[in-house]
Amino acid sequence: GQQLNQSPQSMFIQEGEDVSMNCTSSSIFNTWLWYKQDPGEGPVLLIALYKAGELTSNGRLTAQFGITRKDSFLNISASIPSDVGIYFCAGRSITQGGSEKLVFGKGTKLTVNP
Amino acid sequence: DAGITQSPRHKVTETGTPVTLRCHQTENHRYMYWYRQDPGHGLRLIHYSYGVKDTDKGEVSDGYSVSRSKTEDFLLTLESATSSQTSVYFCAISDGTGSSYEQYFGPGTRLTVT
Repeated sequence: GQQLNQSPQSMFIQEGEDVSMNCTSSSIFNTWLWYKQDPGEGPVLLIALYKAGELTSNGRLTAQFGITRKDSFLNISASIPSDVGIYFCAGRSITQGGSEKLVFGKGTKLTVNP
Repeated sequence: DAGITQSPRHKVTETGTPVTLRCHQTENHRYMYWYRQDPGHGLRLIHYSYGVKDTDKGEVSDGYSVSRSKTEDFLLTLESATSSQTSVYFCAISDGTGSSYEQYFGPGTRLTVT
């Protein structure tokens, strides 16, 4: 089945540093989504990307939909302690029945040292 | 926040017993999903629904069944729980129309099968 390769698996950074993570696949996706999950909670949607080449920002977060439609990256600028968590990418595909479903990366665990 | 609740939030059960998890939404969204989250595997789709009484299997559906008799409720049943079904279960919803392909997640149910 379709798979997403998300990297890095984990990151340890100092407060104030910028962060970059990415997802790649051998499959083409029509939508890329980025989620953040805090411990004990469900994933929360950060950014949605719908067009190849699209660059979208949400505060200190910036994400891009790769031109090939097979990859996406997420950047966090000037990290702060509350950025700690697990970040997931997800690509949208269409099932044979015409329903949409998401394929998830395995996550990037971010630790920010004050 | 999307109006999604899951019940129970925590459950411990014995191997071989039936278990039903409930997802309730107040957003009137068409699509509902059940995922499980396990270390090293990320989020994996169990079953999904694209309307009342319309459901389909995801990638890890063995041992699970679902029902959706009302738009707002999506039930996940483990007919005979096994230790391999110990996991955190998340429900998600999606409008699935136009650009609204984002999925929004509930808070999760932590299930332990002893």
